[in-house]
Amino acid sequence: DAGVTQSPTHLIKTRGQHVTLRCSPISGHKSVSWYQQVLGQGPQFIFQYYEKEERGRGNFPDRFSARQFPNYSSELNVNALLLGDSALYLCASSFGTGYYEQYFGPGTRLTVT
Amino acid sequence: QQPVQSPQAVILREGEDAVINCSSSKALYSVHWYRQKHGEAPVFLMILLKGGEQKGHEKISASFNEKKQQSSLYLTASQLSYSGTYFCGTEDGTDSWGKLQFGAGTQVVVTP
Repeated sequence: DAGVTQSPTHLIKTRGQHVTLRCSPISGHKSVSWYQQVLGQGPQFIFQYYEKEERGRGNFPDRFSARQFPNYSSELNVNALLLGDSALYLCASSFGTGYYEQYFGPGTRLTVT
Repeated sequence: QQPVQSPQAVILREGEDAVINCSSSKALYSVHWYRQKHGEAPVFLMILLKGGEQKGHEKISASFNEKKQQSSLYLTASQLSYSGTYFCGTEDGTDSWGKLQFGAGTQVVVTP
């Protein structure tokens, strides 16, 4: 079975621009979570979606938004990019929310210049 | 609240054992363990649930002490492939289901 897929793999943007990152979960999984990982640190929770509804939001500004589509794929949008947004953005797929294993995709490496 | 991992780093020779600890100041409902190699995504190793249920995919064991709000990951007879950074992720209540809080990681280097 295919694992979690994310696109694009790498992205270079300029400060102030907008970016959209995409994620397709494992077949049969209904929950997608987004994490930001800065070099040398553990992943930080941004959003969780389950059955197309937002189930949780981490401590990130309103510039970050996300949504989940009927096929359970998801998009993460970041507006007005800052240098500090440079990071690896990870999408994690799980069957449900709570007490379920989360499987990470390969990530999108975002560089803001 | 972010869990605390210890040690920060450990160097092992092949075949040696190591223990990685993950502690929280909050009551934990679950602990998830991952290994991440440089430039790659975290790979799921094991989930430990309140009540004792464990689910894992590799020959690595772990324990979960609910009273002490602590989990330990045991690397036994380490192999070169065990090298990487190990993260614990925790869920500390029903309002945090699915919202994993990760520790800063423990870097493990296994040498021949």
